[in-house]
Amino acid sequence: GENVEQHPSTLSVQEGDSAVIKCTYSDSASNYFPWYKQELGKRPQLIIDIRSNVGEKKDQRIAVTLNKTAKHFSLHITETQPEDSAVYFCAARDTGNQFYFGTGTSLTVIP
Amino acid sequence: DADVTQTPRNRITKTGKRIMLECSQTKGHDRMYWYRQDPGLGLRLIYYSFDVKDINKGEISDGYSVSRQAQAKFSLSLESAIPNQTALYFCATSSPNEQFFGPGTRLTVL
Repeated sequence: GENVEQHPSTLSVQEGDSAVIKCTYSDSASNYFPWYKQELGKRPQLIIDIRSNVGEKKDQRIAVTLNKTAKHFSLHITETQPEDSAVYFCAARDTGNQFYFGTGTSLTVIP
Repeated sequence: DADVTQTPRNRITKTGKRIMLECSQTKGHDRMYWYRQDPGLGLRLIYYSFDVKDINKGEISDGYSVSRQAQAKFSLSLESAIPNQTALYFCATSSPNEQFFGPGTRLTVL
Protein backbone atom coordinates (compact mmCIF):
# COMPACT_ATOMS: atom_id res chain seq x y z
CA GLY A 1 0.00 0.00 0.00
CA GLU A 2 0.85 3.67 -0.09
CA ASN A 3 3.37 5.09 2.39
CA VAL A 4 3.53 8.82 3.08
CA GLU A 5 6.43 10.37 4.94
CA GLN A 6 6.39 13.94 6.22
CA HIS A 7 9.19 16.22 7.42
CA PRO A 8 9.94 18.00 9.63
CA SER A 9 7.89 16.88 12.60
CA THR A 10 8.27 20.29 14.26
CA LEU A 11 8.99 23.68 12.74
CA SER A 12 9.41 27.09 14.35
CA VAL A 13 9.59 30.27 12.29
CA GLN A 14 9.55 33.97 13.01
CA GLU A 15 6.42 35.84 12.07
CA GLY A 16 6.71 37.02 8.48
CA ASP A 17 9.12 34.28 7.43
CA SER A 18 8.24 31.39 5.14
CA ALA A 19 7.56 27.80 6.19
CA VAL A 20 8.04 24.71 4.04
CA ILE A 21 6.78 21.21 4.84
CA LYS A 22 7.75 18.27 2.66
CA CYS A 23 6.12 14.90 1.99
CA THR A 24 7.07 11.89 -0.07
CA TYR A 25 4.85 9.06 -1.25
CA SER A 26 5.54 5.60 -2.54
CA ASP A 27 2.67 4.70 -4.90
CA SER A 28 3.20 6.31 -8.28
CA ALA A 29 -0.50 5.74 -9.08
CA SER A 30 -1.67 8.05 -6.28
CA ASN A 31 -3.47 10.93 -7.92
CA TYR A 32 -4.62 13.45 -5.34
CA PHE A 33 -2.67 15.18 -2.59
CA PRO A 34 -4.50 17.28 0.02
CA TRP A 35 -3.06 19.26 2.91
CA TYR A 36 -4.92 19.62 6.20
CA LYS A 37 -4.52 22.06 9.06
CA GLN A 38 -5.47 20.95 12.55
CA GLU A 39 -5.66 23.54 15.29
CA LEU A 40 -5.43 22.42 18.88
CA GLY A 41 -8.53 20.50 19.91
CA LYS A 42 -10.11 20.86 16.48
CA ARG A 43 -10.72 18.59 13.52
CA PRO A 44 -8.43 18.55 10.46
CA GLN A 45 -9.57 20.93 7.76
CA LEU A 46 -8.54 21.03 4.13
CA ILE A 47 -6.45 24.07 3.25
CA ILE A 48 -5.19 23.25 -0.24
CA ASP A 49 -4.93 20.28 -2.57
CA ILE A 50 -3.28 19.33 -5.83
CA ARG A 51 -4.03 16.71 -8.44
CA SER A 52 -1.45 14.61 -10.17
CA ASN A 53 -1.80 16.42 -13.50
CA VAL A 54 -0.78 19.77 -11.97
CA GLY A 55 2.68 20.86 -10.81
CA GLU A 56 1.82 23.81 -8.62
CA LYS A 57 -1.20 25.46 -7.04
CA LYS A 58 -1.41 28.68 -5.08
CA ASP A 59 -4.05 30.20 -2.82
CA GLN A 60 -3.04 33.54 -1.33
CA ARG A 61 -0.16 32.83 1.10
CA ILE A 62 -0.31 29.06 0.65
CA ALA A 63 1.11 27.06 -2.24
CA VAL A 64 1.65 23.40 -2.96
CA THR A 65 4.10 21.90 -5.43
CA LEU A 66 4.15 18.36 -6.77
CA ASN A 67 7.01 16.49 -8.38
CA LYS A 68 5.56 13.26 -9.75
CA THR A 69 8.88 11.93 -10.95
CA ALA A 70 10.45 12.22 -7.53
CA LYS A 71 7.16 11.41 -5.78
CA HIS A 72 7.25 14.32 -3.43
CA PHE A 73 5.06 17.31 -2.71
CA SER A 74 5.52 20.34 -0.51
CA LEU A 75 3.47 22.96 1.30
CA HIS A 76 4.76 26.52 1.28
CA ILE A 77 3.38 29.20 3.59
CA THR A 78 4.66 32.72 3.03
CA GLU A 79 4.45 35.73 5.34
CA THR A 80 3.57 33.51 8.26
CA GLN A 81 1.28 34.80 10.98
CA PRO A 82 0.68 33.56 14.55
CA GLU A 83 -2.68 32.11 13.47
CA ASP A 84 -0.81 29.79 11.10
CA SER A 85 0.42 27.91 14.20
CA ALA A 86 -1.12 24.42 14.03
CA VAL A 87 -0.38 20.85 13.02
CA TYR A 88 -0.29 20.30 9.27
CA PHE A 89 -0.88 16.93 7.62
CA CYS A 90 -0.19 15.89 4.07
CA ALA A 91 -2.07 13.00 2.49
CA ALA A 92 -2.12 10.97 -0.68
CA ARG A 93 -5.15 9.27 -2.21
CA ASP A 94 -4.57 6.01 -4.01
CA THR A 95 -6.55 4.55 -6.90
CA GLY A 96 -8.74 2.69 -4.40
CA ASN A 97 -9.83 6.05 -2.91
CA GLN A 98 -8.05 5.42 0.36
CA PHE A 99 -6.31 8.37 1.95
CA TYR A 100 -2.90 7.90 3.57
CA PHE A 101 -1.67 10.58 5.92
CA GLY A 102 1.74 11.80 6.92
CA THR A 103 2.61 11.94 10.60
CA GLY A 104 2.11 15.69 10.86
CA THR A 105 4.20 18.83 11.30
CA SER A 106 3.69 21.04 14.31
CA LEU A 107 4.26 24.60 13.10
CA THR A 108 4.88 27.40 15.60
CA VAL A 109 4.99 30.99 14.38
CA ILE A 110 6.83 33.18 16.86
CA PRO A 111 5.50 36.75 17.07
CA ASP B 1 -18.43 21.41 10.24
CA ALA B 2 -21.84 20.48 11.66
CA ASP B 3 -22.50 18.23 8.66
CA VAL B 4 -20.49 15.41 10.26
CA THR B 5 -21.26 14.66 13.88
CA GLN B 6 -19.84 12.17 16.33
CA THR B 7 -21.14 10.86 19.63
CA PRO B 8 -19.94 10.73 22.30
CA ARG B 9 -17.31 13.48 22.21
CA ASN B 10 -15.49 12.09 25.21
CA ARG B 11 -15.62 8.66 26.78
CA ILE B 12 -13.76 6.95 29.58
CA THR B 13 -14.17 3.21 29.82
CA LYS B 14 -12.52 0.20 31.43
CA THR B 15 -10.51 -2.60 29.93
CA GLY B 16 -12.73 -5.36 28.55
CA LYS B 17 -15.80 -3.20 28.04
CA ARG B 18 -17.62 -2.99 24.73
CA ILE B 19 -18.00 0.49 23.38
CA MET B 20 -19.59 2.01 20.30
CA LEU B 21 -18.73 5.31 18.67
CA GLU B 22 -21.31 6.77 16.34
CA CYS B 23 -21.01 8.99 13.30
CA SER B 24 -23.74 10.73 11.34
CA GLN B 25 -23.53 12.94 8.27
CA THR B 26 -25.93 15.13 6.36
CA LYS B 27 -23.67 15.68 3.34
CA GLY B 28 -25.21 12.87 1.33
CA HIS B 29 -21.82 11.28 0.73
CA ASP B 30 -21.55 7.56 0.12
CA ARG B 31 -17.98 7.31 1.38
CA MET B 32 -17.32 7.20 5.11
CA TYR B 33 -14.17 6.50 7.10
CA TRP B 34 -12.97 5.90 10.64
CA TYR B 35 -9.48 7.05 11.68
CA ARG B 36 -7.60 7.11 14.92
CA GLN B 37 -5.09 9.80 15.78
CA ASP B 38 -2.18 9.25 18.13
CA PRO B 39 0.55 11.79 18.92
CA GLY B 40 3.37 11.52 16.39
CA LEU B 41 1.55 8.94 14.28
CA GLY B 42 -0.84 11.08 12.31
CA LEU B 43 -4.19 9.73 11.18
CA ARG B 44 -4.45 6.00 10.58
CA LEU B 45 -7.34 4.37 8.78
CA ILE B 46 -9.34 1.78 10.72
CA TYR B 47 -12.25 0.98 8.37
CA TYR B 48 -13.97 2.58 5.41
CA SER B 49 -17.20 2.13 3.53
CA PHE B 50 -18.18 3.28 0.06
CA ASP B 51 -21.84 2.42 0.40
CA VAL B 52 -24.23 0.65 2.76
CA LYS B 53 -23.23 -2.82 1.57
CA ASP B 54 -19.52 -2.11 1.35
CA ILE B 55 -17.16 -2.45 4.33
CA ASN B 56 -13.37 -2.49 4.01
CA LYS B 57 -10.54 -2.88 6.48
CA GLY B 58 -7.96 -0.18 6.80
CA GLU B 59 -4.40 -0.50 7.99
CA ILE B 60 -5.25 -0.97 11.72
CA SER B 61 -8.59 -2.81 11.85
CA ASP B 62 -7.65 -5.43 14.47
CA GLY B 63 -9.74 -5.04 17.62
CA TYR B 64 -12.38 -2.93 15.85
CA SER B 65 -15.56 -3.58 13.93
CA VAL B 66 -17.96 -1.29 12.07
CA SER B 67 -21.55 -1.12 10.98
CA ARG B 68 -22.97 0.97 8.16
CA GLN B 69 -26.60 1.24 9.20
CA ALA B 70 -27.58 3.70 6.49
CA GLN B 71 -25.90 6.05 4.05
CA ALA B 72 -25.76 8.65 6.80
CA LYS B 73 -24.58 6.47 9.70
CA PHE B 74 -21.33 4.63 10.30
CA SER B 75 -20.55 3.19 13.74
CA LEU B 76 -17.26 1.95 15.14
CA SER B 77 -17.21 -0.69 17.88
CA LEU B 78 -14.51 -1.87 20.21
CA GLU B 79 -15.63 -5.33 21.28
CA SER B 80 -13.27 -5.56 24.25
CA ALA B 81 -11.47 -2.30 24.85
CA ILE B 82 -7.79 -2.30 25.82
CA PRO B 83 -5.62 0.59 27.05
CA ASN B 84 -3.66 0.95 23.80
CA GLN B 85 -6.92 1.87 22.08
CA THR B 86 -6.82 5.13 23.99
CA ALA B 87 -6.78 7.73 21.21
CA LEU B 88 -8.67 10.44 19.40
CA TYR B 89 -11.08 8.95 16.86
CA PHE B 90 -12.30 10.79 13.78
CA CYS B 91 -15.08 9.91 11.42
CA ALA B 92 -14.90 11.39 7.93
CA THR B 93 -16.94 11.49 4.77
CA SER B 94 -15.72 12.32 1.33
CA SER B 95 -16.86 13.63 -1.98
CA PRO B 96 -14.79 12.27 -4.87
CA ASN B 97 -11.99 14.52 -3.66
CA GLU B 98 -12.32 16.28 -0.34
CA GLN B 99 -12.63 14.63 3.06
CA PHE B 100 -14.75 16.23 5.77
CA PHE B 101 -13.97 15.30 9.33
CA GLY B 102 -16.22 15.07 12.34
CA PRO B 103 -15.25 16.80 15.59
CA GLY B 104 -13.59 13.70 17.03
CA THR B 105 -14.20 11.40 19.99
CA ARG B 106 -11.58 11.28 22.71
CA LEU B 107 -11.57 7.74 24.11
CA THR B 108 -9.69 6.72 27.23
CA VAL B 109 -9.44 3.05 28.20
CA LEU B 110 -8.34 2.50 31.78
